[in-house]
Amino acid sequence: KAGVTQTPRYLIKTRGQQVTLSCSPISGHRSVSWYQQTPGQGLQFLFEYFSETQRNKGNFPGRFSGRQFSNSRSEMNVSTLELGDSALYLCASSLGQITSSGNTIYFGEGSWLTVV
Amino acid sequence: DQQVKQNSPSLSVQEGRISILNCDYTNSMFDYFLWYKKYPAEGPTFLISISSIKDKNEDGRFTVFLNKSAKHLSLHIVPSQPGDSAVYFCAASYYGGSQGNLIFGKGTKLSVKP
Repeated sequence: KAGVTQTPRYLIKTRGQQVTLSCSPISGHRSVSWYQQTPGQGLQFLFEYFSETQRNKGNFPGRFSGRQFSNSRSEMNVSTLELGDSALYLCASSLGQITSSGNTIYFGEGSWLTVV
Repeated sequence: DQQVKQNSPSLSVQEGRISILNCDYTNSMFDYFLWYKKYPAEGPTFLISISSIKDKNEDGRFTVFLNKSAKHLSLHIVPSQPGDSAVYFCAASYYGGSQGNLIFGKGTKLSVKP
């Protein structure tokens, strides 16, 4: 069974540009969540989508947005990129919502974003 | 306010010995705990989990212990192998939480020396 797939794996953008990252969850999984990882900050939750609806949102500015399609695939968009947005962006999928206790999430390999 | 804390940023262990990774939490609502392992340039990989109704869960070389009264959990790896060298994240969740209630610690980097 294929795991969580993220594209692109690596990308470099310029300040002020926008970027779109894509995530295909494990087949049958309906929840997709996004995390940002920067050195020293661990994994910080961005948002979760379940059945095409945003169910939870972390403490990130409105420049960070996402959506989920009917096939559970998800995209994350960051507009007006800043140098501090350089990070590893991880997508994770799970069967149910992550607010349902006992739910294990499975991560993709991540998209490395460098903003110059 | 960090709800899940991994106070040791790094740990070095000799091959064949036991590795003990610790995690403390503050929210008594947490009822499900997970450990993930992460190699550089890869996404985290799920290792093992434990529900709050248990105090121990074992899977091969990996055992997770939960002490609810102390709000503490630990991951034991026995015997440690060089391939175990990675960053280990603990995470906690509870039913009905908001703000993405799967909360991660900042990770502990384990180095297993041959």
